[in-house]
Amino acid sequence: KQEVTQIPAALSVPEGENLVLNCSFTDSAIYNLQWFRQDPGKGLTSLLLIQSSQREQTSGRLNASLDKSSGRSTLYIAASQPGDSATYLCAVINDYKLSFGAGTTVTVRA
Amino acid sequence: SQTIHQWPATLVQPVGSPLSLECTVEGTSNPNLYWYRQAAGRGLQLLFYSVGIGQISSEVPQNLSASRPQDRQFILSSKKLLLSDSGFYLCAWRGLGGNTIYFGEGSWLTVV
Repeated sequence: KQEVTQIPAALSVPEGENLVLNCSFTDSAIYNLQWFRQDPGKGLTSLLLIQSSQREQTSGRLNASLDKSSGRSTLYIAASQPGDSATYLCAVINDYKLSFGAGTTVTVRA
Repeated sequence: SQTIHQWPATLVQPVGSPLSLECTVEGTSNPNLYWYRQAAGRGLQLLFYSVGIGQISSEVPQNLSASRPQDRQFILSSKKLLLSDSGFYLCAWRGLGGNTIYFGEGSWLTVV
């Protein structure tokens, strides 16, 4: 069974600081890895998808890396803004199913 | 473009009452469909997924059931709700041959 862990559980940073969010998984035979953002009381918004053959993916201030052999992915958010405050979830895709981590709740202080 | 609709957005139901949550996807054919639950302060738990009409796979034994009567419609049901069924229910889809999974806005269920 795939286990996904996200560390830290919560993070508070001043505006402008870079964010580093970690995700680890136990079964390296993954199909894809996807990062999501969730605002309080809302659904999940897809941020980045990394296919198993890729090592990283970038979108604007976001960059996600994937190291399948070590079972790790990292989401970098450059020059954080108060609007980046949310919970960030990583999900590993095996066959048809997504397995989620518990998320990292980020607070960016103005 | 593809969109996903999920309703109702919020509902409060008494213990022992039935439940029906509906999810529909537009702009795609033969999607993989998913139901997840997110309990307060906890991660997302996969409840059911479907790769085609009438094909349902259950991940967690419980008093919930799912059905897929049409290609782009996915329904989550219960005959008798329990207090422990309270939570945030999310429907998601993944296109045929696609990679990215997209979520609906969710349905808040409170069982009282």
